[in-house]
Amino acid sequence: GQQLNQSPQSMFIQEGEDVSMNCTSSSIFNTWLWYKQDPGEGPVLLIALYKAGELTSNGRLTAQFGITRKDSFLNISASIPSDVGIYFCAGQPAGGADGLTFGKGTHLIIQP
Amino acid sequence: ETGVTQTPRHLVMGMTNKKSLKCEQHLGHNAMYWYKQSAKKPLELMFVYSLEERVENNSVPSRFSPECPNSSHLFLHLHTLQPEDSALYLCASSLRPRSGAGSYEQYFGPGTRLTVT
Repeated sequence: GQQLNQSPQSMFIQEGEDVSMNCTSSSIFNTWLWYKQDPGEGPVLLIALYKAGELTSNGRLTAQFGITRKDSFLNISASIPSDVGIYFCAGQPAGGADGLTFGKGTHLIIQP
Repeated sequence: ETGVTQTPRHLVMGMTNKKSLKCEQHLGHNAMYWYKQSAKKPLELMFVYSLEERVENNSVPSRFSPECPNSSHLFLHLHTLQPEDSALYLCASSLRPRSGAGSYEQYFGPGTRLTVT
């Protein structure tokens, strides 16, 4: 089946730093989504991308749909303590039926 | 209630028990999904219901049985589970186009933490 390679697996940063994470695939995706999951909760949708090359912002978060349609990145600027959590990329494969393919997640840890 | 709700939030069951997980969405969506989230693994899609009809079953063991009585409610019936079935079970919903595939954004519930003893 489809697989998404998400990196890095974890990040240890200082408050105020910028963060960058990405997802790549060997096949084409029609949609890229970025979610954040806090402990004991379900994933919360952050940003949705539908067109190759699309760049979308949501506050301090910015995500881009890669031109090749095989990758996407998420940037967080000026990180704050509440940014701690696990970030997942997810995609809707081209020609796929329903349901999303998820990456394994990037665990963001902010050091005081 | 708003969004997607799931009950119970936590469930401990023995391997011979029968239990059900419930999901309800208040977003006016027409598609609902069950995912399994295990430690160190990506979310795994289990079932998809669109317009109350099951459209995909990703080779899930028959000890998991979904039911979707209407577009707002989704159940996952569990029986004779194994310890390796312990995981977080997540329900999601989306607005699926009436023609063709495509799930648009999916919105998740808080999950049911299942422990099989």
